[in-house]
Amino acid sequence: NAGVTQTPKFRVLKTGQSMTLLCAQDMNHEYMYWYRQDPGMGLRLIHYSVGEGTTAKGEVPDGYNVSRLKKQNFLLGLESAAPSQTSVYFCASSYTVQGVGPSGSYNEQFFGPGTRLTVL
Amino acid sequence: GQQVMQIPQYQHVQEGEDFTTYCNSSTTLSNIQWYKQRPGGHPVFLIQLVKSGEVKKQKRLTFQFGEAKKNSSLHITATQTTDVGTYFCAGRNLDSSYKLIFGSGTRLLVRP
Repeated sequence: NAGVTQTPKFRVLKTGQSMTLLCAQDMNHEYMYWYRQDPGMGLRLIHYSVGEGTTAKGEVPDGYNVSRLKKQNFLLGLESAAPSQTSVYFCASSYTVQGVGPSGSYNEQFFGPGTRLTVL
Repeated sequence: GQQVMQIPQYQHVQEGEDFTTYCNSSTTLSNIQWYKQRPGGHPVFLIQLVKSGEVKKQKRLTFQFGEAKKNSSLHITATQTTDVGTYFCAGRNLDSSYKLIFGSGTRLLVRP
């Protein structure tokens, strides 16, 4: 049981290049998330998915696209990288205890090890 | 939009001293979670608080959720070097069961 894995671990891009970050989870979680972490700013939600084939925008979606073609995978794409996208990217997944309701849902998020991306 | 503020940004303590980090939300929360991130690592879930005024303890860690469900705190008694890391609170809106809004985190450094 690997939990949440992310590839690659590190990447350096030139401005304008594109890339895809891959997140995979083997816990059969419905929900998956992409965050970016910048110094002093905590974790900011980029996009998320509540199930296979569905995605939605988070707080900072501009410049990113996502896809969830399979339940276990959540891909984050940068079509034309910019220096402002230099960051550490974390993927996370979560489940919900059925029948409890939003205020009582036990919805711990499990994080991957992160991808450190530098855009020159 | 909803904001979750966390203070202090940094705290440097002598081993054995206590430590507290505070979290305040601009809106009422359905619940709040706390995570710890070791240097170079990823966030790891510590606890979830759901009820107004709730207090939970994990060994030397005490977590509180305010009566109005808009603030929370984490208190560590007698810090150890293993407590080093950044502690994040993350609040969940009343209308969202799966999105968390993270605070900016408090980085704890412990002098041995």
